[in-house]
Amino acid sequence: EVQLVESGGGLVKPGGSLRLSCAASGFTFSNAWMSWVRQAPGKGLEWVGRIKSKTDGGTTDYAAPVKDRFTISRDDSKNTLYLQMNSLKTEDTAVYYCSRLFIAVAGRGFDYWGQGTLVTVSS
Amino acid sequence: DIQLTQSPSFLSASVGDRVTITCRASQGISSYLAWYQQKPGKAPKLLIYAASSLQSGVPSRFSGSGSGTEFTLTISSLQPEDFATYYCQRLNSFPYTFGQGTKLEIK
Repeated sequence: EVQLVESGGGLVKPGGSLRLSCAASGFTFSNAWMSWVRQAPGKGLEWVGRIKSKTDGGTTDYAAPVKDRFTISRDDSKNTLYLQMNSLKTEDTAVYYCSRLFIAVAGRGFDYWGQGTLVTVSS
Repeated sequence: DIQLTQSPSFLSASVGDRVTITCRASQGISSYLAWYQQKPGKAPKLLIYAASSLQSGVPSRFSGSGSGTEFTLTISSLQPEDFATYYCQRLNSFPYTFGQGTKLEIK
């Protein structure tokens, strides 16, 4: 059974930092392209960024609001995805989900999601 | 960036109804569109990818169509468990933008 379990959320002051983790199981994590998606309270979904598998280059891409502040990384030996968040702003307050990017010949989608972890940025 | 606009934003319907949600892209995205269902307090669930491919395990009453700039998600006969919020998402290029969502409520 595929499982994604996020951790590391909490309350942080504006300008602070936080690192989220996502522990993966039930699939070959090292082959997977992974993403973070967030959802502010009562709002819609917002894609945060994506990391490719190391065999596909391990490169990352980010949404404009988080570029240069957030960093996605992975430790394939631990089957874990990370999101390092620096210079946090109140508008970064959200539930953060990790998800697996499913890639088929016909198209793509996020087929597995974690339960989410809440990050609250407030003084 | 390419924007996605869903319509309607809110939809009230009854069990057994056929409903259609539309997602329009500001530029062509071929068939790189996915649809998700999200229930309160839960993670989204992938329903459709590649505009019209049904994700494994998703009931056949869900279907998707379209390409280019206009896409639709259809639920052929609403069941009680289908009342939720639905999002489209483009995956042709970065950023992988989501639509603003359509909340489907019981009439």
